[in-house]
Amino acid sequence: GQQVMQIPQYQHVQEGEDFTTYCNSSTTLSNIQWYKQRPGGHPVFLIQLVKSGEVKKQKRLTFQFGEAKKNSSLHITATQTTDVGTYFCAGLSGGYQKVTFGIGTKLQVIP
Amino acid sequence: EAGVAQSPRYKIIEKRQSVAFWCNPISGHATLYWYQQILGQGPKLLIQFQNNGVVDDSQLPKDRFSAERLKGVDSTLKIQPAKLEDSAVYLCASSFSGTPQETQYFGPGTRLLVL
Repeated sequence: GQQVMQIPQYQHVQEGEDFTTYCNSSTTLSNIQWYKQRPGGHPVFLIQLVKSGEVKKQKRLTFQFGEAKKNSSLHITATQTTDVGTYFCAGLSGGYQKVTFGIGTKLQVIP
Repeated sequence: EAGVAQSPRYKIIEKRQSVAFWCNPISGHATLYWYQQILGQGPKLLIQFQNNGVVDDSQLPKDRFSAERLKGVDSTLKIQPAKLEDSAVYLCASSFSGTPQETQYFGPGTRLLVL
């Protein structure tokens, strides 16, 4: 079955440093979504990438979808303490758009 | 716009007992998802409904888990009997139509502890 791997699992950064999380799928994806989950909260949708090689930006967040539509990355520039949380990628594929979440990257920002 | 509602928020039961969770999706959303999120892991899709029909239940442990969405609106997820490894947060999500472009909106989840 489809597997979505995400690295790293944990990342501690000093406030102001950059952060990147990577997502790899075992199969070609139709699209990929990124979610953020704050401690004790539920996943909140950030963005969806659909096109091969697509790059989208949201303020300090940059999302990329690989040319082969099997990998993706999320890059945060100059992290802030409000960026703390777990970032999940979710790959969608198949006729019914079966969704598979990665294990998530837990980001801790040290003030 | 009201979000996805779930109840209860917390539940503690003993193993072999039964438990049921309820979810009311965002009004007008045709697609409803139930996920299981074990501590430290990503959400795992248990079942996906399109209106009142099941689209995908390939990861639902059908010997003990059941779910229904009889009128195509709210849904219940039941575990009978519960095992220790069922301790997790059960998340309900909905999307407008379930097409590739749709965002999933998650509810607050039900935190289940099986003792």
